[in-house]
Amino acid sequence: AQSVTQLGSHVSVSEGALVLLRCNYSSSVPPYLFWYVQYPNQGLQLLLKYTSAATLVKGINGFEAEFKKSETSFHLTKPSAHMSDAAEYFCAVSENTGTASKLTFGTGTRLQVTL
Amino acid sequence: DVKVTQSSRYLVKRTGEKVFLECVQDMDHENMFWYRQDPGLGLRLIYFSYDVKMKEKGDIPEGYSVSREKKERFSLILESASTNQTSMYLCASSLVGAGNQPQHFGDGTRLSIL
Repeated sequence: AQSVTQLGSHVSVSEGALVLLRCNYSSSVPPYLFWYVQYPNQGLQLLLKYTSAATLVKGINGFEAEFKKSETSFHLTKPSAHMSDAAEYFCAVSENTGTASKLTFGTGTRLQVTL
Repeated sequence: DVKVTQSSRYLVKRTGEKVFLECVQDMDHENMFWYRQDPGLGLRLIYFSYDVKMKEKGDIPEGYSVSREKKERFSLILESASTNQTSMYLCASSLVGAGNQPQHFGDGTRLSIL
């Protein structure tokens, strides 16, 4: 079965600093990987997805993630944090069950951005 | 844009009550999902449906059932609500695919069982 580990339940950065949120996955087949963001009192919004076309994936709001098969990682980065990036971020791996594709989520990383 | 609408943002019920959470999507998606979200645990899949009247258990189906009578609507039912079902519930939908289709989420229902 697939699984996802997000290192660090809370990450704090200064405005303008690099954002790095870590995600490692376990999968028996080539994975499809996703990053979602959740703002307070809202549902999840797709940031980006890896579907094997390119290892460096660009998403919305200036975020990108790099798929590294040798490290089983899919870390999320943004060169310069903005106050509006404060939210919870979830990494997920997709599993095709034959009837539908299920997502297995990590436990989330809450990003705090300080002045 | 895909819109997934959950009928209530906040709901307060009493233990033993039968509770219905409703979800509607407007993009003709085949797949629909119900998750619960708890601090430190992320999202856990309760049930999903891949077609009308078709459903499969997720990772934590105990105490829940679902209904999908129409393609656009997926209901989560708590047969006899208990306090440990106090949580945030999220509905999602997606197209059929080989795993590369993203899920689209509603804004969630925060359910409190007293």
